[in-house]
Amino acid sequence: AQTVTQSQPEMSVQEAETVTLSCTYDTSESDYYLFWYKQPPSRQMILVIRQEAYKQQNATENRFSVNFQKAAKSFSLKISDSQLGDAAMYFCAYRSASTGNQFYFGTGTSLTVIP
Amino acid sequence: DTGVSQNPRHKITKRGQNVTFRCDPISEHNRLYWYRQTLGQGPEFLTYFQNEAQLEKSRLLSDRFSAERPKGSFSTLEIQRTEQGDSAMYLCASSLGQFEAFFGQGTRLTVV
Repeated sequence: AQTVTQSQPEMSVQEAETVTLSCTYDTSESDYYLFWYKQPPSRQMILVIRQEAYKQQNATENRFSVNFQKAAKSFSLKISDSQLGDAAMYFCAYRSASTGNQFYFGTGTSLTVIP
Repeated sequence: DTGVSQNPRHKITKRGQNVTFRCDPISEHNRLYWYRQTLGQGPEFLTYFQNEAQLEKSRLLSDRFSAERPKGSFSTLEIQRTEQGDSAMYLCASSLGQFEAFFGQGTRLTVV
């Protein structure tokens, strides 16, 4: 089974600064999808950004961007100009493009934004 | 359609009782997933439906757990003879094909 590792249980960032959350994964497949999900306290999980493994270009969504290193099996999330509303648990997730029957999640990183 | 809907939001039950949760996915989504999440952990896969067919079930899932998705629309997750270890947030998600999944707000189960 694929494994997803988030080695930073907690991170903090000053408002308006930039923070990077780390994620590594283990797979023998060549085609897959990677995701970052955000889960605010007592709120539902929402998608932040998605990356297709066959694309070399890193995905970007407004203040959120990823650094996808396929050979290193690394998928980090950069949040620029951090806002108070960015405070949440962030989960990295993997999904196979061939089987695709489930998402594999990491254990999450709790992000605190300091005013 | 405003997204994935789960009911109830909270459930407190006595050990040994049966509970049933409902999930209404986004209407055009053919895939539906159930996950369980405990405090401080990432979601753990329980089971997966494509339309009405249950195609995968976690080997970690006890026989006390059963899920259905009649007619490929809403889904129910039943837990029989609940145990304290079943206390968790139960998340439902749906997707169209192999794209990202959209999650509901979850059902928080407390077994006392």
